[in-house]
Amino acid sequence: DQQVKQNSPSLSVQEGRISILNCDYTNSMFDYFLWYKKYPAEGPTFLISISSIKDKNEDGRFTVFLNKSAKHLSLHIVPSQPGDSAVYFCAASALGNMLTFGGGTRLMVKP
Amino acid sequence: EAGVTQSPTHLIKTRGQQATLRCSPISGHTSVYWYQQALGLGLQFLLWYDEGEERNRGNFPPRFSGRQFPNYSSELNVNALELEDSALYLCASSLLGQGALDTQYFGPGTRLTVL
Repeated sequence: DQQVKQNSPSLSVQEGRISILNCDYTNSMFDYFLWYKKYPAEGPTFLISISSIKDKNEDGRFTVFLNKSAKHLSLHIVPSQPGDSAVYFCAASALGNMLTFGGGTRLMVKP
Repeated sequence: EAGVTQSPTHLIKTRGQQATLRCSPISGHTSVYWYQQALGLGLQFLLWYDEGEERNRGNFPPRFSGRQFPNYSSELNVNALELEDSALYLCASSLLGQGALDTQYFGPGTRLTVL
C-alpha cells in the first residue's frame, strides 16, 4: 500500500517556464512533507519542506504548496532551468517518524 | 567538509550469500538512516540508528540488520540474499537525532546485485 504517490513518472518543460510536480498521500497522520532532488549517481539532496500547519513555503525559485483536505502536495519551480533536470521525490512523515517516499518524477528541462 | 560516504559502490553476490554495506556519516552527525531503492520504486526506509542505538525499523524481514559504531559509522547486513534484494541502498546522516524532522544528507549509494 503506497501511502505517498507521485503519479507522473516524468515531466518535460521548456527552460524559463514553470515546472509543477505533484504528490498525493493517503495517511492523514502525515504532518511534515519534504521534497528531495536526485541527480544520476548521486544521493538525494534536500530541497524544501513544509509543516502541516502551513499551506505554502517558498525558497527562491522553489515553492511547495500543501492542500491538506485533498491530501495533495505540489512543488513549483519558476523559472525552470536545465540544471533542474533530475528526479524529484516527495516524502512525508508522521510525528517525526520515518520518512515515506513517493516513487519519484523525472523532470527534464529543455533549453 | 566531506559528505556521507558509502562503500562499496557496487556489490555482486549470489542468492543465499550475505552482504555487508558500510556508511560513514558527515562529521558531527550522530544519526544514520538506511534506505532501499529497488528499480522503479521510491526509497523504502530500512533502519535508523542514533548514538549507537536502533531507533526505528522499516517493514523489512529480520535478515536485514545493522549496527552503528562508536564513531557513528554504520553497517547494513543482509543475510540469506534473495534476488529481490537487488537494489540501490542509500545511507543518510543527520545532525540532531530528530528523525524525519532533521535534514537528512544522503550518500551516493551502494548498488547491490544478487544473481
